[in-house]
Amino acid sequence: AQTVTQSQPEMSVQEAETVTLSCTYDTSESDYYLFWYKQPPSRQMILVIRQEAYKQQNATENRFSVNFQKAAKSFSLKISDSQLGDAAMYFCAYRSAGAGGTSYGKLTFGQGTILTVHP
Amino acid sequence: KAGVTQTPRYLIKTRGQQVTLSCSPISGHRSVSWYQQTPGQGLQFLFEYFSETQRNKGNFPGRFSGRQFSNSRSEMNVSTLELGDSALYLCASYRGGGQSSYNEQFFGPGTRLTVL
Repeated sequence: AQTVTQSQPEMSVQEAETVTLSCTYDTSESDYYLFWYKQPPSRQMILVIRQEAYKQQNATENRFSVNFQKAAKSFSLKISDSQLGDAAMYFCAYRSAGAGGTSYGKLTFGQGTILTVHP
Repeated sequence: KAGVTQTPRYLIKTRGQQVTLSCSPISGHRSVSWYQQTPGQGLQFLFEYFSETQRNKGNFPGRFSGRQFSNSRSEMNVSTLELGDSALYLCASYRGGGQSSYNEQFFGPGTRLTVL
């Protein structure tokens, strides 16, 4: 079974600064997807960024980028130029992608990191 | 395009009762997954339905069940409620199809269930 670990229960950053959230995972599969989701106080889960394991290039979405280290099973999220609206709980998630398995759309989540942004 | 909707948004029940939660996916999406979110256990996968068939199930007791209708709408039912069932229940929809293809999953706003 896959596991996802977020070792930082809470992080804080000053507005306009950069912060990095950590995530490690454990899997024996070679083909999978990794995601970062954001859950603001409204509880609406929003996809921030995704990474396909077969792609070596790190994904980037505007101010959000990842550092994907497949061998180390590490998937960190960097938020640049932090904004007050970035304050939320961030979840790292894993989804199997290989054919022949039974995981389909199942997401395995980490415990989450609460991000506070100070003005 | 309308997002994923969940009803009701809030629910208060007492121990021993049963409850049914509803999820309407985005139009064209055939897969619906359910998750339970609690402060202690985090986000845990309950089950996934695709074209009216359950194709994956998490590690929850049989009191938790679900179904999907021909229009892809899904319901989950919890019988004989326990205090520990108090949680935010989230559903997510995506197009589905082959496991090897990426499909973004969209989440609903959740149903907050409180068991007294």
